[in-house]
Amino acid sequence: DTGVSQNPRHKITKRGQNVTFRCDPISEHNRLYWYRQTLGQGPEFLTYFQNEAQLEKSRLLSDRFSAERPKGSFSTLEIQRTEQGDSAMYLCASSLGGGNGNQPQHFGDGTRLSIL
Amino acid sequence: QKEVEQDPGPLSVPEGAIVSLNCTYSNSAFQYFMWYRQYSRKGPELLMYTYSSGNKEDGRFTAQVDKSSKYISLFIRDSQPSDSATYLCAMIDGGTSYGKLTFGQGTILTVHP
Repeated sequence: DTGVSQNPRHKITKRGQNVTFRCDPISEHNRLYWYRQTLGQGPEFLTYFQNEAQLEKSRLLSDRFSAERPKGSFSTLEIQRTEQGDSAMYLCASSLGGGNGNQPQHFGDGTRLSIL
Repeated sequence: QKEVEQDPGPLSVPEGAIVSLNCTYSNSAFQYFMWYRQYSRKGPELLMYTYSSGNKEDGRFTAQVDKSSKYISLFIRDSQPSDSATYLCAMIDGGTSYGKLTFGQGTILTVHP
């Protein structure tokens, strides 16, 4: 299967701990996105990479959040000092970079974060 | 007020019914419109992708976009129990260069045999 892969699928941690999620995009896709989805809501944009460059960040991405995409391949999203409000599904999507940047995005199955 | 409004339902229909799902939006700069299907504990799966106004058909699915009314629809013909899922509309501002998706809340659909 050459779709978007996310690990782990589920992460349970205590408040105050740090967590890191990984996303492996579709191999030929140069654009990578992170979204957050809470129960009963649609996904909300967090950040965007073109190759290894992080070009856009949402105001939702507080200082406790950091994302990287070394070498323009896989990406990691780290949350430091987790809080109850961080409990959500974290989704990764990838797409090809077109002239207007609006190629369809394909999603992974997400990492579900539960804060105890 | 949210940029994209979607009736959360839930919507329950019998097998074989025609389903109509709708979204309204306020940002006139939205130019790309998508429908995603999301099963429980899975990521969104792209169903339809359209640009500007008009209709697009793919099998049992038809997407309609009316930019003058800021209204989009997804029709499902001959609905099946396997269509039971949450349906999300999503849009892209044509003025951005990076394709950020703005989603509706999602409509929960159940098709019962």
